[in-house]
Amino acid sequence: NAGVTQTPKFQVLKTGQSMTLQCAQDMNHNSMYWYRQDPGMGLRLIYYSASEGTTDKGEVPNGYNVSRLNKREFSLRLESAAPSQTSVYFCASSEVGQYEAFFGQGTRLTVV
Amino acid sequence: QKEVEQNSGPLSVPEGAIASLNCTYSDRGSQSFFWYRQYSGKSPELIMFIYSNGDKEDGRFTAQLNKASQYVSLLIRDSQPSDSATYLCAVLLSGGGADGLTFGKGTHLIIQP
Repeated sequence: NAGVTQTPKFQVLKTGQSMTLQCAQDMNHNSMYWYRQDPGMGLRLIYYSASEGTTDKGEVPNGYNVSRLNKREFSLRLESAAPSQTSVYFCASSEVGQYEAFFGQGTRLTVV
Repeated sequence: QKEVEQNSGPLSVPEGAIASLNCTYSDRGSQSFFWYRQYSGKSPELIMFIYSNGDKEDGRFTAQLNKASQYVSLLIRDSQPSDSATYLCAVLLSGGGADGLTFGKGTHLIIQP
């Protein structure tokens, strides 16, 4: 019973490099989310996708892009990484009308 | 800006005592309320949700909601060292849903043996 799976778990990037964080869920949920979590800042929403084919900006979208590849997969891309993007990134999913969010195990990203 | 506020702590409670965690929210029309537990280095996991005014009990956990005062609390009875974690309050704001839950910054709880 995998739930929400994120890859990679850890990543170190140099400033200016690009990378894509992958997320997949096997719960047939319509909604998926990307959050970042920084010390003292709580969970902040980067982007979300309410359904397959739609994506919208959250609270802190600058420097990121997303793709909802299909119902299962929602990826987050950093085109030109900056040290300010050093954070722990969580993908989550939920079903419309229920709102309980299920989280992946997180990706710890360091940009040097 | 609609906010969810929690005392960051740390909140230190002796083993066996009741731990009381509080959360206030600014959006009076908020609909649903959730408590997540997050162990250090791990992802948040849901432990309780509450939709209606009053108390909801699940084992050692009780969620309390007072919409008139705009606060929600979590009580943990017979606290155990394994309850040491950060507890996140999450709220479904009015008009919300598509963008999911709004999270507080969390309260760090330490249960002292």
